[in-house]
This record gives sequence, C-alpha cells and structure tokens, in this order.
Amino acid sequence: SQTIHQWPATLVQPVGSPLSLECTVEGTSNPNLYWYRQAAGRGLQLLFYSVGIGQISSEVPQNLSASRPQDRQFILSSKKLLLSDSGFYLCAWSPGLAGGGTGELFFGEGSRLTVL
Amino acid sequence: AQSVSQHNHHVILSEAASLELGCNYSYGGTVNLFWYVQYPGQHLQLLLKYFSGDPLVKGIKGFEAEFIKSKFSFNLRKPSVQWSDTAEYFCAAPQERGGNKLTFGTGTQLKVEL
Repeated sequence: SQTIHQWPATLVQPVGSPLSLECTVEGTSNPNLYWYRQAAGRGLQLLFYSVGIGQISSEVPQNLSASRPQDRQFILSSKKLLLSDSGFYLCAWSPGLAGGGTGELFFGEGSRLTVL
Repeated sequence: AQSVSQHNHHVILSEAASLELGCNYSYGGTVNLFWYVQYPGQHLQLLLKYFSGDPLVKGIKGFEAEFIKSKFSFNLRKPSVQWSDTAEYFCAAPQERGGNKLTFGTGTQLKVEL
C-alpha cells in the first residue's frame, strides 16, 4: 500500500534562517506531488505542484521554493524565513497520469512551522 | 478557475443532533467533488467523494453528501452526530476541469458537545 511521510513534524526557526521540509511517498511510481499551507479560517492553499522529477509549478508568489530531486521525494525550502511563513504545511500525492486518478489527494501528517 | 465556498465556519452541536454543512462550487458540468476531514491531531483524510452516477454519496462514519447540479452544491450531512465527529471539515473540487489540483473551501470547525 502507499504511504506518505513528511518531517519534521514541528519546527521552530528564527527569522532569516533557512528551511527544509521533506516529504516522501512509498508504494507508488510517478505520483503527482503537492505542497499546501493550511491557515486557520483560510482553508488549504496550494503552494507547489509537481508532475515529475524537476518539474515544479508555483501556484502563488511567495518566499518559498520546492524541489523534486527524486520521483517520490518533494522538498519545501526557503533561504531566509519570514514571520509570515509560519503555518501548517501539508504534503500530498495523487496518482500520475499513468496511474489513473480521479483528483483524490492523499495527505501527509503535516509540519508545523513557527518563525520567531 | 474553480472556487469552493463553505459558509459555516464554526458549528456547535449537541450529540444526536443532525448536521448539514454547506458547500458550493463555482462551475458546473462534470465535476469531481470531495469532503475531507481532519480530526484533532490527525492528518487530513478523505470522508467521501462524488465522481458520477448517484448524486447521493455515502461516506465513512455515517456521513453522506448530495450533489445538486442545479444549485452547484455538495452539502455534507449526518443524521445524528457523535462527540467523536468533532473535527474540521473541508470541501474540495478540482481547480480546473479534469485537473489534478484541488481547490479547498475555508473549512468548517465542528464541535460536538456531550
């Protein structure tokens, strides 16, 4: 069966420090990968979307970047964190084109980032 | 692009009360619709989904949702809620027709009191 993991679960970082959140998927190949940010009262906002290695689509202007160095690995990064980057970040996957897919997403456990 | 609206942001119910959470999406035609739930301390998980066919969809834990094409709605219902249903509920639809990116509503925080 497929599983998705992201880490760290909790992170407290000073303003201006770098960030790296990692997400990996097991049990599937060529998944679509997503990074969402969840903010209270604002739902889930799609940040990045990837259909394959090295293929990243940025959905909103921001201080963050994403990379996909391997098929089932998705990394969310920042060179210098801002206070406004605080939030709950969710990684998700869905079957790629070859795997069929109905739009359903499967989410990781989430990473709570606090920037001080 | 699709937009999804949830009009109830906070709902408080007593156990055994009936629940209906509203969800409206912006464009019609063939559309996949989802309800996700996030229980306290747990990850977001699928509650139910509609792709085609019977507009009344059954999900886990006694939840159901009805797709009403003419109203662009996909409301979530449960006849009798339990304390364990306390959670945040999100409605979602593909950002674009046939696409893989989901647009989520702002969520409804449900609290069920004993």
